[in-house]
Order: sequence, then C-alpha cells, then structure tokens
Amino acid sequence: DTGVSQDPRHKITKRGQNVTFRCDPISEHNRLYWYRQTLGQGPEFLTYFQNEAQLEKSRLLSDRFSAERPKGSFSTLEIQRTEQGDSAMYLCASSPPRDGRQTMAGANVLTFGAGSRLTVL
Amino acid sequence: GDSVTQMEGPVTLSEEAFLTINCTYTATGYPSLFWYVQYPGEGLQLLLKATKADDKGSNKGFEATYRKETTSFHLEKGSVQVSDSAVYFCALNEWDFNKFYFGSGTKLNVKP
Repeated sequence: DTGVSQDPRHKITKRGQNVTFRCDPISEHNRLYWYRQTLGQGPEFLTYFQNEAQLEKSRLLSDRFSAERPKGSFSTLEIQRTEQGDSAMYLCASSPPRDGRQTMAGANVLTFGAGSRLTVL
Repeated sequence: GDSVTQMEGPVTLSEEAFLTINCTYTATGYPSLFWYVQYPGEGLQLLLKATKADDKGSNKGFEATYRKETTSFHLEKGSVQVSDSAVYFCALNEWDFNKFYFGSGTKLNVKP
C-alpha cells in the first residue's frame, strides 16, 4: 500500500476560478477526513466521511466548498469561486474501521497524505 | 469544547541537547493524545500516542506521558539530532467523536 495519495500537490489559480483536489485513502480505511492548514497553524477540521456518507462538516466549510466520496473510495474536495483567503494546504487523512473488539483503550490513528497546496492569486 | 495548546516556537537547540515541547489540552471526555511530526514538504506523520491516563508513548527516542491531573502531554527527547528538525503537533481525539483537534505546532531547529 502506498499510503494516502493527494493530487495535485500544488495548484495556483486566479481568484474566482474553481479548483478540485483528489484524495485516495489507504484501501482498507473506511474513514476519510479533510483538514486545512494555514502557515504557522495546526490542521483545522473541514469534513469527515465514513464510507460514502459525509457525517460531519465544519462551520469553516462555506457553501463554496463541497466534498464527495462516491462509492466510499477516493474523495474530492471542490472549491468554487476561489478567494485569496482559501490559500492553504489541504490535507487528507484516513483511518481504519473500528471493530467490535476495540475498547476505549484503542486509538483512532490518522494517516495523512502529503497535502495539496493551493495558492489563489 | 475540546482544544490543544502547545508552546510557541521556534525552538532552537544544539545537537545532543535535551528537548521539551509543552502541550496541554481541554477535553470533555477521555481523549487519546498524539504527537505528530511534519518534515518540510511532507504530510503529518504519527510520532507517538497514549490512550489513557499515565500511559507513556514512545518512538525514535521521543517520549510523552499522559497526565490527566495536569491535562498535559509534554514531548521529550534526551538527545536531539539535526534530523529531528521539523514541526511537532500535539493532538487529541475523543473516542466518541471523529474530530481530531491539533495544536498550532512547534517548530524545532537543531543545529550541528
């Protein structure tokens, strides 16, 4: 397994354009997360999928942002009508399913991709 | 709500010096605690974790102990190397929730 893959690694766009990022999680991981990281800050949660269902969205995710995970495999994050404030690193992470034997002693561990850096001019 | 606070950087040390990066947390339940490391141009990698009070996570010479009484999870290493230069993030995750909360990161520079 090659880990979590993100594409593209870098995207430069003009304000007002639409951009789409793709994430391919580890194949046996059913949980997928999108985070945003700005310079000098830690990752901020954007949204979470369990299989194909989007179960949680942050208030940070405005109407211009949409994420999908068709068939519960890869995911896309689209930003419409980009603004300069959208410039950031967009991180994807995945984690394995919880099984019935896990207790609170088990930890939910995220595996991150290398990120997609967006620059909006 | 849940949150993580870690010491601001950058932290600059000479090779073989002792490292401490402080991390404190606020949580409503019983979180698992993590340290992630980010090398230049790369994604975050799990460094170590602890899932309950008094647990000690360790990896690559780094250690952190889950202290419930002080709500802390400080990262330590006895002798840092130049290759340890990176940004370190403290994080928490509560069992019932799927969000991870990250600190703002501490940049470590190790000089030869």
